[in-house]
Amino acid sequence: EDQVTQSPEALRLQEGESSSLNCSYTVSGLRGLFWYRQDPGKGPEFLFTLYSAGEEKEKERLKATLTKKESFLHITAPKPEDSATYLCAIAGNTGKLIFGQGTTLQVKP
Amino acid sequence: DGGITQSPKYLFRKEGQNVTLSCEQNLNHDAMYWYRQDPGQGLRLIYYSQIVNDFQKGDIAEGYSVSREKKESFPLTVTSAQKNPTAFYLCASSKTHSGANVLTFGAGSRLTVL
Repeated sequence: EDQVTQSPEALRLQEGESSSLNCSYTVSGLRGLFWYRQDPGKGPEFLFTLYSAGEEKEKERLKATLTKKESFLHITAPKPEDSATYLCAIAGNTGKLIFGQGTTLQVKP
Repeated sequence: DGGITQSPKYLFRKEGQNVTLSCEQNLNHDAMYWYRQDPGQGLRLIYYSQIVNDFQKGDIAEGYSVSREKKESFPLTVTSAQKNPTAFYLCASSKTHSGANVLTFGAGSRLTVL
C-alpha cells in the first residue's frame, strides 16, 4: 500500500534559521513526488515535482531533493512570508495521488 | 486569469439538509476532483471526473454526490447521509487524469454543521 508520512508536524524557526522538512514514502513504482504550499484558509499551490532519486529542484529559498525512500524540502534563510503548511504527495503505479498530513511551518521575525 | 472558482467560501448546514458546493474552472482541464481536508489529516479524495458525464468514487464517497454536465463545472452535494460533514472542501483540476499530473486547486469551501 502506498503511504506518505511527513515530519515534523509543526516547525517553528527564527527568521534566517535554515531547516528541512521530511517526506517519507513507500510506493509501488514512483511516477512523481509533489510538494505543495498551503496558506491558512486557502487551497494548496504547486511548488515542485520530482520524478527520480537524485533529482533536485529549487525555487527562491526552497530546495527539494529526492531519494528512493524520502524527500526533503530544504528552507534556506527563511522569512516570515514562508510560514505555511507544506504538503507532500506521491503518485505510483496505481495512478492514485496520496497526500501526507503536512508540516506547518512558522517563521518568526 | 485561468483558475478554479469555488463558492461559497463559508457554508452552514442544519441537520438533515443537503448542500451543494460549486466548482468552476476555466483552464480547459479534462479532469476534476473533490478533496476533503480535516485537521491533522492528509487530503482525502471524495470523487473525481476524467471527462464530461463520467465520474468515479474516491476513498470517501459515502454521503456525497457529484455531476459533470459541463467540462467547466463539477458541483459537489453533501447529503444528509454524510454524518460528519464539517470540513474544508477543495476542488482541483488537471489536464488529464493521471496521478503524475500537477493539480490546480481552488480556494476551498468551509462547511460547518450547526
